[in-house]
Order: sequence, then structure tokens, then C-alpha cells
Amino acid sequence: DGGITQSPKYLFRKEGQNVTLSCEQNLNHDAMYWYRQDPGQGLRLIYYSQIVNDFQKGDIAEGYSVSREKKESFPLTVTSAQKNPTAFYLCASSTPDRGLNTEAFFGQGTRLTVV
Amino acid sequence: AQKITQTQPGMFVQEKEAVTLDCTYDTSDPSYGLFWYKQPSSGEMIFLIYQGSYDQQNATEGRYSLNFQKARKSANLVISASQLGDSAMYFCAMREESFQKLVFGTGTRLLVSP
Repeated sequence: DGGITQSPKYLFRKEGQNVTLSCEQNLNHDAMYWYRQDPGQGLRLIYYSQIVNDFQKGDIAEGYSVSREKKESFPLTVTSAQKNPTAFYLCASSTPDRGLNTEAFFGQGTRLTVV
Repeated sequence: AQKITQTQPGMFVQEKEAVTLDCTYDTSDPSYGLFWYKQPSSGEMIFLIYQGSYDQQNATEGRYSLNFQKARKSANLVISASQLGDSAMYFCAMREESFQKLVFGTGTRLLVSP
């Protein structure tokens, strides 16, 4: 079945460590997004990519990095520079080339906890 | 910069009644799309309904309808005949044609009581 797979579902990180969250999609979508959600809060955009080998910072990119070497994959690295990384991370994809009338499809999310 | 505002942190409604969740937006792009998503406690994001800036009619999808008032820059979600399973967080989102960023509001938590 087509969809977006995020892994792992739960992730624990020690302070000072970098950690990478995986996001893979087999929907043939060009655009991919990473969001952060804190408890009881909305989704804040970290990074987004409209095409392979290109990505743009969102509203809260500091302390995060991404790569887009393949259309199917958009991994997010949470670096030690991110001071408060404990949150729920959601990856999404969409096909903007077919116009605005295309919703984003989301993965199941990764819950990151700093211990 | 695009912005989405949801002013209702929480809403309560009785089963079988209708409820309106508010959403206002701000953009200078004449071409944009507005989306509503539902997020149950499991965390998954479920797409509900879409409205384009050039659409002449309000969007409807089953029990969901979008009250689109372009001049007021509002895109309120109306849920008719609420069900217990409608209890969840609801997010309004917007995508501008020029930037293709998909930006979300802070959400409204809806609780449906028997």
C-alpha cells in the first residue's frame, strides 16, 4: 500500500547527541515536510522540500538539518544544538505540481524524548 | 508571511448537535488553498476538507462543510450531527501557490459529550 513511513515510533536521545528520524514515502510525491508538535500545540514547520536536492527552512529550523538525496526519502537530524528537542515529529508529503487541491499525507509520527 | 489563527483552544458540543470551529488566515497571495485536518489521540493526521481561494462554492464532505468568507479571510469548519468519534484536535492549514509551504494553526480540541 502507498503511504508514508516514519521510524522509529519512539526514540530516546541523550543530551548532546545527534539523532536522525527517518521518513520514507512511496506515493511519488515531490514535496515533503517536517513538523514539530509540542503537547497541546499546533504543528510548526521545521523544513520542507519541493524537489530532490533542494529544501527550505521553515519557521523553526534552528538545531535541525535535513537532506533530500532521493525523492522517496527526507530524513531529519536533530542536532545537539536543538535545546529542547523533546516533541512529536510528523513527516508529510504532497504533490504541489498538481495544483493546490492536493492534501498532504502524513506519517504516524516519531515521539522523541531526551533523557 | 502566511499565518493561520484558531482562537478556540477548546470546544464542547453534545452528540448530534452541529459545531463550528473557527479559522482565520492572512496572506497576500491571491492563490491559496485551505485545509482542515483531524488529529485523534493516536496522533495521526486525517485530512477532512479542502477549499481553494478561487472556489465559488463552499466545500462539503459528508458531515463536514467549510464556511468560506474570502473578504473576511475566514474558513470555518462546520461539523453537523456530531458523533462521539469526532472528539479530537482539529487543525486549519494553508498553502500558498507562490511558496508551497503548508502552515498550520494551533488547533482546537473538540470534545463531544453523550
